Order: sequence, then C-alpha cells, then structure tokens
Amino acid sequence: EIVLTQSPGTLSLSPGERVTLSCKASQSVSNNFLAWYRQKPGQAPRLLMYTGSTRAAGIPDRFSGSGSGTDFTLTISRLEPEDFAVYYCQQYGSSPYTFGQGTKLEI
Amino acid sequence: QVQLQESGPGLVKPSQTLSLTCTVSGGSVSNISHYWSWIRQPAGKGLEWIGRIHPTGSTIYNPSLSSRVTMSIDTSKNQFSLKLNSVTAADTAVYYCARAPKPIHLFDPWGQGTLVTVSS
Repeated sequence: EIVLTQSPGTLSLSPGERVTLSCKASQSVSNNFLAWYRQKPGQAPRLLMYTGSTRAAGIPDRFSGSGSGTDFTLTISRLEPEDFAVYYCQQYGSSPYTFGQGTKLEI
Repeated sequence: QVQLQESGPGLVKPSQTLSLTCTVSGGSVSNISHYWSWIRQPAGKGLEWIGRIHPTGSTIYNPSLSSRVTMSIDTSKNQFSLKLNSVTAADTAVYYCARAPKPIHLFDPWGQGTLVTVSS
C-alpha cells in the first residue's frame, strides 16, 4: 500500500497569498497518477487536479500542480475565501487507492 | 450532469450489517466506461477508499476491509450498494459514493455523503 504524507498539517494564511502544499509518497506513483481534492466544511471532496498537473473541469488557473515519482505539490497562486478548506492528495496508480491525511488552510 | 445520492440507516448496532445505497441521476450505472466506488471518512479524519464495482459486477475491495465488504449494482434502479458486516464503533464515518472513469480510480463526482454511527 502506498502511504501519502502531506505537509504541513495546517497553514494559517490570508486571502491573496500564495501557498504550496506538499504530498510525498512512500513509493513511486505509477504514471504520476496523483490527484488533489479540496474539501470545504460539511461538503464532499471535489476534484481539483489529476495526473499531477492537469486541472479538472471548471477549476480556475490559480491552481497548479507539479511533481513526479514520490514528490508532488499543489500551488494556489492567490488565495480566495473559498480556498480556505482541507486539501487531500490521492494516488490512483495502484490498489488500494490511498489518500493523504490532509492539509488544512485556515484564515 | 451526473449526481449521486447516498441513503440508508444512520444508526447501526455493533456486530450488525451496515447497508447503504447510492442512487445515480443524470447518468447510468450501466455505462461500462465507469466504476462506482465507496469511500468513507471518520469524523475529523482522512479518507479511506472502501472498494469499487463495475456494471459487469466486477469488484475490487480494499484489503483492509475485504473480508467484511460486499458491493452490488442494480441497473434497473440505477443504484449501487454497499454492505459492511460485523461493524464496530471504528466503522462510524461519513460514507460517500463516487464515480470513476474506467480504467482509472479518480473520483468525480461524489455524493454529498451520509453519516453512519455504530452504537448500541
């Protein structure tokens, strides 16, 4: 099973700031099959990025992803109020499909 | 636009079977281009993939739960279901259903989730 470790656990930021979130895998993620989700309070997660760097439909270009192998990042260039939420990475390269423990962005 | 909605009892007694159904609208569970998955999230914790089913009936379960999980699909009702037996308090969580595009397990969209509490 691939274990995903996200850092930091919590970040305190302000609207308009830039942030980079990290996701490290315990072994290489095949085909860079790494996704990011945003979960707002009381809601289901929503897909943001997949294959490391491809934005999902309707996701604004302030979100960008990069990485390969075992190290991946999600960058939000200018934080909007709706971005203060919990972010999860997920690997879908090998079963069982696993998620990181999440990074919380708080104002 | 495909939408998913979970339903089922919100309270289950220890040692009994948790049963949930996901109803799909705006799309068909018979579409062989998709997998249908269950994912859960204990309160304040992260996400755990439970397993998936394909319209052909093919299933893959997370090994951590495989001995207790059964998934099924009902194309006539446009639904798929989850059964988890011998539940304990550790199975208390919000349970989500989600769609994934075959052959990859990328979850989009998700249902809104349903809280299941295991307690006597």
